[in-house]
Amino acid sequence: DTGVSQNPRHKITKRGQNVTFRCDPISEHNRLYWYRQTLGQGPEFLTYFQNEAQLEKSRLLSDRFSAERPKGSFSTLEIQRTEQGDSAMYLCASSITSVPSYEQYFGPGTRLTVT
Amino acid sequence: AQKITQTQPGMFVQEKEAVTLDCTYDTSDPSYGLFWYKQPSSGEMIFLIYQGSYDQQNATEGRYSLNFQKARKSANLVISASQLGDSAMYFCAMRESSYGNNRLAFGKGNQVVVIP
Repeated sequence: DTGVSQNPRHKITKRGQNVTFRCDPISEHNRLYWYRQTLGQGPEFLTYFQNEAQLEKSRLLSDRFSAERPKGSFSTLEIQRTEQGDSAMYLCASSITSVPSYEQYFGPGTRLTVT
Repeated sequence: AQKITQTQPGMFVQEKEAVTLDCTYDTSDPSYGLFWYKQPSSGEMIFLIYQGSYDQQNATEGRYSLNFQKARKSANLVISASQLGDSAMYFCAMRESSYGNNRLAFGKGNQVVVIP
């Protein structure tokens, strides 16, 4: 049973460039979440999918951010025109609705540095 | 408003001793879940334990137990018999279950260092 995987693990980009991250959830999990974590803080919710439907988005998710989960399996998070304030760890998590507590299992994260 | 409060400074604990990490929460939702996660220096968030708001008994998972005091809105994590591998950041989180909410709200975390 493989866990949640994320690629790339690290990304350094110049301000103004676009970046895309990928998340592969645990195979039978139908829910997928994106969070952002900055230094010294806990993760902050960005968005959530159930199967391929994006059901919830945080106000943190500006127009420059877009997330997709086209076939209800893997998901991508794209940031357009990156800014230095986007530098953070981007965490993906998944869960399954058959478990009542809906605990979320996290991937190792993608650390983004915008120079 | 901050939903999860973790205010303890970094803690040093002797190996094999127990440690309690404080967490208080704020919600008006009668149905909610409380979670604790461990984040070692590698960065991955590891799920430890869950407590539902309607659960009558405190949750336990191996060396982890959750001291749930609903009236005080606190959900403290107790780690018994600390091991060197327990050195990490620990995050308390809450999911408010009504109205189909699924997001987790996290606190700022507690740093624990286990010393031999």
